[in-house]
Amino acid sequence: EADIYQTPRYLVIGTGKKITLECSQTMGHDKMYWYQQDPGMELHLIHYSYGVNSTEKGDLSSESTVSRIRTEHFPLTLESARPSHTSQYLCASTYGNEQFFGPGTRLTVL
Amino acid sequence: KNQVEQSPQSLIILEGKNCTLQCNYTVSPFSNLRWYKQDTGRGPVSLTIMTFSENTKSNGRYTATLDADTKQSSLHITASQLSDSASYICVVSDRGSTLGRLYFGRGTQLTVWP
Repeated sequence: EADIYQTPRYLVIGTGKKITLECSQTMGHDKMYWYQQDPGMELHLIHYSYGVNSTEKGDLSSESTVSRIRTEHFPLTLESARPSHTSQYLCASTYGNEQFFGPGTRLTVL
Repeated sequence: KNQVEQSPQSLIILEGKNCTLQCNYTVSPFSNLRWYKQDTGRGPVSLTIMTFSENTKSNGRYTATLDADTKQSSLHITASQLSDSASYICVVSDRGSTLGRLYFGRGTQLTVWP
C-alpha cells in the first residue's frame, strides 16, 4: 500500500473560487504527477515534477498551476475555478518502474 | 501516434466465472506494460508490470500475458469475486524520454454479479 495522500477527497465549489488540491507522499519519491480523469476516459497528465523546484506542464492543457517546495508535497492550484474544471484529479509518485496513485479528489464546480 | 486500446469497454460476469480483458498498443519504443485496478472513486492500484522479456506474470487470481511482437496483452481473472468489480486499466510506458512517458487505455469496466 503506497503512502500517498490527497485532500480533500470531494470538493464542491462555485465558479470563480480559488482552490488548492493537496497531495503528499511519505516515501521520499522525487517524481510526482497530477492527472485529470473524466468518467470512462483515460488519465491525462497535466503536471509533473522531477524534484524540488522542478515543475513541468503535461500533455493536457490545464489552467492549473503546481509547486514543489518540498519533496513530499505537490499541491495543485486553480486560481479561478470554472464548470469545465469538474473532474477527478489524481496525484501519483514514481519509484523505479512503479507508479503509486493517491485516492483522488473529485472536484465539482457549479 | 502512440495509443493504447482496450476491449471490451465493459463486461458483466457472474461470480465464480473467469474472464479475459484485452489490451492492444502501438507505443514505440516499448519499456513496460502495467495493469491497474481502479475502484470507483479511488486511485488506480498496480496489479502487474511486465517488461519486454516477460510474457506472463501472475498476482493471485490475476494473470497478465504480453506478446511484444504483436503488441498485445491480456489480463485473465480466475474465479471472479464481487470485489473484482472495478475498472481495469492497461498502461504502456515508452523508453523514449527521461520521463518514461505513460500511455493510458480507457479501461474495461468489469461488473461481477452474485
